[in-house]
Amino acid sequence: DIQMTQSPSSLSASVGDRVTITCRASQTIDNFLNWYQQKAGKAPKLLIHAASSLQSGVPSRFSGSGSGTEFNLTISSLQPEDFVTYYCHQSYSVPDSFGQGTKLEIK
Amino acid sequence: QVQLQESGPGLVKPSQTLSLTCTVSGDSVTSGGYYWSWIRQPPGKGLEWIGYIYYSGSTYYNPSLKSRISISVDTSKNQVSLKLTSVTAADTAVYYCARGSMVGNYFFDYWGQGTLVTVSA
Repeated sequence: DIQMTQSPSSLSASVGDRVTITCRASQTIDNFLNWYQQKAGKAPKLLIHAASSLQSGVPSRFSGSGSGTEFNLTISSLQPEDFVTYYCHQSYSVPDSFGQGTKLEIK
Repeated sequence: QVQLQESGPGLVKPSQTLSLTCTVSGDSVTSGGYYWSWIRQPPGKGLEWIGYIYYSGSTYYNPSLKSRISISVDTSKNQVSLKLTSVTAADTAVYYCARGSMVGNYFFDYWGQGTLVTVSA
């Protein structure tokens, strides 16, 4: 099974900051990497698929990069509604697996 | 607009069977190219993929749960069902159904709102 390691597990930042969250796979997953945003008490929402493709309707301040085993989610200018939790997800091989999550907190 | 809605008992006793239904609207569970999936999230923890059923009817389950899971579809009701047998407190979680779409890559583009299932006597 492929293990996904997300870092950091939490991150303190300010509105307007640029932040990057990293996800590492235990083996190569090409670009089969997706990013989701989860607000408290809500279902996850797809932000990025195929490592770098922005899902329709998602603000352009979100971007994804990487391939192989290392991937990044970057938020270029944090907005108040972005201080929630983010998960990466590999769909290269079953069983699918998720990172443990990164919680963004207001500094 | 595709919508998914989970339903089922919120409380299940240990050793019993958890049964949930996901009602799909705005799409057909037999539409080509979609993987109808179940994902769960224990309170305060991360996401765990449970398994999926492909539009063709083929299934794949997480090996960690494989012996206890069954996922099926009811095409007449446009529903996807999950059964998890011999539950314990460790199965307490919010259970989500999600549509897996294959567009080059494969990702979950639509999710239900989730339903909390508590395993307790």
